[in-house]
Amino acid sequence: SQQGEEDPQALSIQEGENATMNCSYKTSINNLQWYRQNSGRGLVHLILIRSNEREKHSGRLRVTLDTSKKSSSLLITASRAADTASYFCATDAGANSKLTFGKGITLSVRP
Amino acid sequence: DAGVIQSPRHEVTEMGQEVTLRCKLISGHNSLFWYRQTMMRGLELLIYFNNNVPIDDSGMPEDRFSAKMPNASFSTLKIQPSEPRDSAVYFCASSFGNFQPQHFGDGTRLSIL
Repeated sequence: SQQGEEDPQALSIQEGENATMNCSYKTSINNLQWYRQNSGRGLVHLILIRSNEREKHSGRLRVTLDTSKKSSSLLITASRAADTASYFCATDAGANSKLTFGKGITLSVRP
Repeated sequence: DAGVIQSPRHEVTEMGQEVTLRCKLISGHNSLFWYRQTMMRGLELLIYFNNNVPIDDSGMPEDRFSAKMPNASFSTLKIQPSEPRDSAVYFCASSFGNFQPQHFGDGTRLSIL
């Protein structure tokens, strides 16, 4: 089964609104990463948060990590139509660098 | 900077044929990952290499699939013989070291008729 599971599966918002996406996982992790995938393209790395970090910011992105609840959230503030994409969380655990991806969240931002 | 380059971008072939997918890593990266993405199963890791050595191939579906890294900057994923259930988008990704962000190519959309 997937290590990372995102919710909701799909999210539709108006441009300018904030989008919050959640990810839960099952086992202890080294770090958690968020990726974006535009239609017909490969995944693009957005942000990495380590297991000893609680919050991280990058531009309009804010990621939180709660290891006690085994969950993370990705907040996109002041969304734009160009943010329309699928978003994936990925976790790695253990000594190797193998990432396990969730099934993704489809975000639609209406102009 | 050139990103991860995959070829071909699209491949349509008949079942039973051999398919070879190619990937050029970002210069300086030493980890290489092959993934398969379908609507039903999402993104699945097939195999990954560190420093040209296969580390984990537990995701390779069966013996029809093989992957190689003939040098530090290039990899191939071969399917022989191909079957319709192999139809998917295949991605390769590279990274510099363990636990680092992965850089993905734009994938090969494979259709087996």
